[in-house]
Amino acid sequence: GNSVTQMEGPVTLSEEAFLTINCTYTATGYPSLFWYVQYPGEGLQLLLKATKADDKGSNKGFEATYRKETTSFHLEKGSVQVSDSAVYFCALSLFSGGYNKLIFGAGTRLAVHP
Amino acid sequence: SQTIHQWPATLVQPVGSPLSLECTVEGTSNPNLYWYRQAAGRGLQLLFYSVGIGQISSEVPQNLSASRPQDRQFILSSKKLLLSDSGFYLCAWSVRDRYANYGYTFGSGTRLTVV
Repeated sequence: GNSVTQMEGPVTLSEEAFLTINCTYTATGYPSLFWYVQYPGEGLQLLLKATKADDKGSNKGFEATYRKETTSFHLEKGSVQVSDSAVYFCALSLFSGGYNKLIFGAGTRLAVHP
Repeated sequence: SQTIHQWPATLVQPVGSPLSLECTVEGTSNPNLYWYRQAAGRGLQLLFYSVGIGQISSEVPQNLSASRPQDRQFILSSKKLLLSDSGFYLCAWSVRDRYANYGYTFGSGTRLTVV
């Protein structure tokens, strides 16, 4: 079946540290891949996306590359800030059953300390 | 531009009481609409999706129901709330895209506490 697996949190970092949140997927067909971010008490916001193999999505200093050979879409940022503290969700999207089905990972909580 | 509105933001309801959460989308036509629930500290669970007026599909059996009386309106309901219905409810919409390139846009959520 189709699924997304992401590293368990929480991930705790000091400000300006390097961030990696691992995400791997299993899918039939050719999914699009997404990272969403959820700040405390808010809904989900699209952070970045990639729609085909070798595409790199980037936004706000975050980036992720669609790796078909390793079925991965790891999220990275070179220097995190306290304001990056949030829950990050990796997701894949497939057209299935007549609609765009978005399948989420369990989420990874990031806590950045000054 | 497209916007999605969800209300209320916060709700405290007694066990056994009814529920109605509303979601509307502006600036687009024929959207796909979705209801998700997020239990405390957990991931996202798809509850319902709709590809058109009156067309509702349920992903999990539960105490809740959904309706889509208008193209851009999606309502989540319950006749009698349970304690286990507590959580953060999110509405979302997407374009109809066979290549699934666009993802979903989420509302700001409703935090429901059943007491």
